[in-house]
Amino acid sequence: ETGVTQSPTHLIKTRGQQVTLRCSSQSGHNTVSWYQQALGQGPQFIFQYYREEENGRGNFPPRFSGLQFPNYSSELNVNALELDDSALYLCASSLDGSSYEQYFGPGTRLTVT
Amino acid sequence: AQSVTQPDIHITVSEGASLELRCNYSYGATPYLFWYVQSPGQGLQLLLKYFSGDTLVQGIKGFEAEFKRSQSSFNLRKPSVHWSDAAEYFCASRYNNNDMRFGAGTRLTVKP
Repeated sequence: ETGVTQSPTHLIKTRGQQVTLRCSSQSGHNTVSWYQQALGQGPQFIFQYYREEENGRGNFPPRFSGLQFPNYSSELNVNALELDDSALYLCASSLDGSSYEQYFGPGTRLTVT
Repeated sequence: AQSVTQPDIHITVSEGASLELRCNYSYGATPYLFWYVQSPGQGLQLLLKYFSGDTLVQGIKGFEAEFKRSQSSFNLRKPSVHWSDAAEYFCASRYNNNDMRFGAGTRLTVKP
């Protein structure tokens, strides 16, 4: 059984650019949630995807968007990057649209300059 | 609005000493509550969770937490801390089926 994986590990982008982060869910899990963790803060919920549909969204602007694929892997896309988007982006997989038992990946560290 | 507060930003304990990390939540009904641990460069690992029933919850790595409705608290405890417990600890509550709210975290340092 493979755990949650994320790619890339680190990424440096320039303000105004676009970025795509990827997440492979744990085997058997059909739900992926994305979180933003700024330095020194707890994770903040961005959105969740369940069976390829958005299943809830936190307080993030529309330039944060996502996708979930038939194999339940997921992408997080961020357009028009801002300096404040610099953070660790975590994805977590779980079963059936819940967050009762989430398994987190190691995260992608995004730096916007 | 639902929120989670961890009053202690940083705690230092000696190895072998007991530990208590504080967590308070604000929510009208009884929330679902969680404790996670994050080591440097790692994702979050679930230590324990509380949904209902017995208010004393046992978790992994010798951790336990007690839900106290009257104090809106869900404090994490361990009777004897090991050097490997040094990490960042996050308390979280579930607002609805998919919105987890995390506290700002407590960094634990363990002195030899």
